[in-house]
Amino acid sequence: DAKTTQPTSMDCAEGRAANLPCNHSTISGNEYVYWYRQIHSQGPQYIIHGLKNNETNEMASLIITEDRKSSTLILPHATLRDTAVYYCIVSRGAQKLVFGQGTRLTINP
Amino acid sequence: GAGVSQTPSNKVTEKGKYVELRCDPISGHTALYWYRQSLGQGPEFLIYFQGTGAADDSGLPNDRFFAVRPEGSVSTLKIQRTERGDSAVYLCASSQTSRAETQYFGPGTRLLVL
Repeated sequence: DAKTTQPTSMDCAEGRAANLPCNHSTISGNEYVYWYRQIHSQGPQYIIHGLKNNETNEMASLIITEDRKSSTLILPHATLRDTAVYYCIVSRGAQKLVFGQGTRLTINP
Repeated sequence: GAGVSQTPSNKVTEKGKYVELRCDPISGHTALYWYRQSLGQGPEFLIYFQGTGAADDSGLPNDRFFAVRPEGSVSTLKIQRTERGDSAVYLCASSQTSRAETQYFGPGTRLLVL
């Protein structure tokens, strides 16, 4: 599975959009981009995934560049409860998730 | 509905002892995964079951670690001769099928080996 690169930490003001970048320059054509998050002392939680089109659900939006070498997770109106570690994962399917270090997102009041 | 549950939530043991960690997946989910998470790190894959069989055990660190899923639902992760380095949070996840996009994680078992 392709490796991903994410910033170690980010801050965002409550109510603003949080934009979390991820680089996956070695992604293969049949690999999806997944985003999970982990709130302190809980198990990871699925957020969204995509192949090449942009995706949106009730939690977030996923923007994937045309060359698929990078993506951005957007939390449109961040709340304090969105403070968590966010993991960008590239995988052919959900058989085995390879987690990196993730981005520690802090939402400030 | 009920999510993935794991018991115990916390386990303290002494070096050299044997431990069993249990995972109850979401009802009807055929795929089950075990991960291990050390402090400050992302979860690390251990083993994946499709039904009763281990489809991928490439993440098990050594032969002290073993997992079973005899009836295709509940799974037990077994660790023999525990070492201090085994201290971590052990996470279980399940998905509807092995090709499903979403894995649902339990809260984890925090294992401390003294």
